[in-house]
Amino acid sequence: EVQLVESGGGLVQPGGSLRLSCAASGFSFSSYWMCWFRQTPGKGLEWVANIKQDGSEEQYVDSVRGRFTISRDNARNSLYLQMNSLRAEDTAVYYCVCTTRSSSTDYWGQGTLVTVSS
Amino acid sequence: DVVMTQSPLSLPVTLGQPASISCRSSQSLVDSDGNTYLNWLQLRPGQSPRRLIYKISNRDAGVPDRFSGSGSGTDFTLKISRVEAEDVGVYYCMQGARLPWTFGQGTKVEIK
Repeated sequence: EVQLVESGGGLVQPGGSLRLSCAASGFSFSSYWMCWFRQTPGKGLEWVANIKQDGSEEQYVDSVRGRFTISRDNARNSLYLQMNSLRAEDTAVYYCVCTTRSSSTDYWGQGTLVTVSS
Repeated sequence: DVVMTQSPLSLPVTLGQPASISCRSSQSLVDSDGNTYLNWLQLRPGQSPRRLIYKISNRDAGVPDRFSGSGSGTDFTLKISRVEAEDVGVYYCMQGARLPWTFGQGTKVEIK
């Protein structure tokens, strides 16, 4: 059974940092690009970042580039999102996702809530 | 960025009746490989998002065949042939052809 389990969310002050983790199991983690998406009540769903199978390529939405860093550890089947200089507008449920554009592979975690507030 | 525009944003439906959601993109979603990367996702209350359709019309594993996708270029449609109670939620179109991947505003499907 495929599982993606996020952790690390919580309440943080503006300007603070958090590191999200995602533990993957039940599929060949190192064979897939991995992603982070987020969901807010006001803006709906938003793609945040992608990372290539071997970690050699990263892609970001403009609003987080330079503040967030996606990384992975294939030996541990784990995905990470280091979030720095957090802003109120980063408040969201963050999802760890394995999705492919051309096949029926699409796995989502249960999400972890990040709240940025003073 | 590619802007995705959905309509309607709210869709009250009667159980057993069909439903249709439209999605329009501001640019063609045909990638350099010739594929059109248009997805439909479902967000049910209290659950994680779930992709229903990829590349316009391909159903993901386990998706009931009452869900179907169609369209081309910049105009796409998700149809539910007979709405069931479990279909209540918010439906999003999403383009994966150009970075950043972008979503429509979402269409809230509810039972009349």
